[in-house]
Amino acid sequence: GAGVSQSPSNKVTEKGKDVELRCDPISGHTALYWYRQSLGQGLEFLIYFQGNSAPDKSGLPSDRFSAERTGGSVSTLTIQRTQQEDSAVYLCASDSGGGGELFFGEGSRLTVL
Amino acid sequence: DAKTTQPNSMESNEEEPVHLPCNHSTISGTDYIHWYRQLPSQGPEYVIHGLTSNVNNRMASLAIAEDRKSSTLILHRATLRDAAVYYCIPPDSNSGYALNFGKGTSLLVTP
Repeated sequence: GAGVSQSPSNKVTEKGKDVELRCDPISGHTALYWYRQSLGQGLEFLIYFQGNSAPDKSGLPSDRFSAERTGGSVSTLTIQRTQQEDSAVYLCASDSGGGGELFFGEGSRLTVL
Repeated sequence: DAKTTQPNSMESNEEEPVHLPCNHSTISGTDYIHWYRQLPSQGPEYVIHGLTSNVNNRMASLAIAEDRKSSTLILHRATLRDAAVYYCIPPDSNSGYALNFGKGTSLLVTP
């Protein structure tokens, strides 16, 4: 596609439920990032994928959070047993590798009731 | 990880120049300085980046101090569409890519 695509754009869930957020990066981009942005805050790094290398998971806040990237393209961020503090906008970005310009999606807004 | 300091907010009149400062005193000698902006309800978008020399593109100019401890993003003529949060991001010196974005500078443009 022309840009980074994320779905769903909005997700409302109940505390304790699992959620999956999807990111489709720009075609050919080898690097993919997930960030979290809580209300009124900056972006918090979660995880980074680069090609076939092991992902950098150093930003994941707990073991309830996990992400995978299948076939070097689409990525899914999974949050298990959601908590109210997980409510935030989850942003995905991709680049062509080498730490260049990041292209962001519109984000997935998660609300945990 | 290089630390950055930006003012929380700035205000400008439409069609006036805007100078957005950023201090990054711990930046390493080989790290590029990237600027992004985030319009309301959107993901961040790239604005400009540079290493040592001043840089210009269609969106803005970037003036980098000679000692590289600070930089200034310059919008030559602010428009209402430039109202956004502006982030100054040096990459993490270990990983080479952007980690956490701070709160940035919220720019208000008034007609």
